[in-house]
Amino acid sequence: GIQVEQSPPDLILQEGANSTLRCNFSDSVNNLQWFHQNPWGQLINLFYIPSGTKQNGRLSATTVATERYSLLYISSSQTTDSGVYFCAVEGDTGRRALTFGSGTRLQVQP
Amino acid sequence: DTEVTQTPKHLVMGMTNKKSLKCEQHMGHRAMYWYKQKAKKPPELMFVYSYEKLSINESVPSRFSPECPNSSLLNLHLHALQPEDSALYLCASSHSDSLNEQFFGPGTRLTVL
Repeated sequence: GIQVEQSPPDLILQEGANSTLRCNFSDSVNNLQWFHQNPWGQLINLFYIPSGTKQNGRLSATTVATERYSLLYISSSQTTDSGVYFCAVEGDTGRRALTFGSGTRLQVQP
Repeated sequence: DTEVTQTPKHLVMGMTNKKSLKCEQHMGHRAMYWYKQKAKKPPELMFVYSYEKLSINESVPSRFSPECPNSSLLNLHLHALQPEDSALYLCASSHSDSLNEQFFGPGTRLTVL
């Protein structure tokens, strides 16, 4: 099946700093989503981005499908940005299932 | 409304109990999913229902039994679970084959004693 690798695994930032999270995947994809999992376990949709670039406030994401990677940018980080960020992909085999990366655990310190 | 609801939020059960987890969405989505997430690990797919038919079973033990009574509801029936089945169980839904962004519910945190 498709492989998904996220880096870095852990990240500690000071409030106000910027960061870039990376997701590499091993095959062509129909779907790529970025999620933020809060401390209560809720997976919050950040971006649905199988290709191209999107922005939502302080967050933006870019997927370069031909080179099989996606980047999530967090600018002016806040303590509420802390949590685990997951990249999840669905390959283009017709199998309707997301494969998750191992996540990036982000801690933003005041 | 992009809401998926799950009940109960927390569940503690013994190994001989029978219980059910419930998931509901009113977005008109025709695909629904169960995922299992252990602590400090990513979610792992268990089952996929498409148009109320089971389309994927990721070799899940038979002590987990999914059911899709209608297009808005998804149940997971639990019987004779083991302590290692303790986890966060997440339900998700997506529109259809052509628009497959998945939306997740808040999860049920299950503890098996």
